[in-house]
Amino acid sequence: NAGVMQNPRHLVRRRGQEARLRCSPMKGHSHVYWYRQLPEEGLKFMVYLQKENIIDESGMPKERFSAEFPKEGPSILRIQQVVRGDSAAYFCASSPRDLAGNEQFFGPGTRLTVL
Amino acid sequence: AQTVTQSQPEMSVQEAETVTLSCTYDTSESNYYLFWYKQPPSRQMILVIRQEAYKQQNATENRFSVNFQKAAKSFSLKISDSQLGDTAMYFCAFMKQNNNDMRFGAGTRLTVKP
Repeated sequence: NAGVMQNPRHLVRRRGQEARLRCSPMKGHSHVYWYRQLPEEGLKFMVYLQKENIIDESGMPKERFSAEFPKEGPSILRIQQVVRGDSAAYFCASSPRDLAGNEQFFGPGTRLTVL
Repeated sequence: AQTVTQSQPEMSVQEAETVTLSCTYDTSESNYYLFWYKQPPSRQMILVIRQEAYKQQNATENRFSVNFQKAAKSFSLKISDSQLGDTAMYFCAFMKQNNNDMRFGAGTRLTVKP
């Protein structure tokens, strides 16, 4: 059973470009979470999605950031008009169902560098 | 809002010795979950141990154990018989019972020395 897959592992963008980060949850998992990790900091929650639904986006900036988890295909975190401050590692996690305290399984992360 | 504090940015321990990493948190919730995650240089986040707040018994996983003090809102991680492979960043995390997003501390960088 493959783990959580994220691609690309490294992404370089120039200021003003768009960044698309993909996350394929573990097989059988229908819940996806996105976190951002700035250098030397812990992970910060961004958004929690189920298939075709955003459950909680309280940690996601209101502008330029969006996330989706379509019925088919991976979850996408999209950052429009990237700025240098968006440079970070973005982690995706998945869990099998909406049970409180469920372990979240993390992907390897995508390291975004904005030039 | 829940906050998680790890007051030790860096720690080191000799191989085979025991080390304790501290974590405190602030919440008004009575039921919640606490986690310790390990992030080695590969940057993969790996669950080390999990504790349910309603359980008084401290969780244990092989060489890893916690000292959960609910009244003090403290959740320290003890690593016994430290191994070189334990070198990593360690993050303490909090999750409310009716929510699924985790709140992480800033991390403690642990180095195990041969």
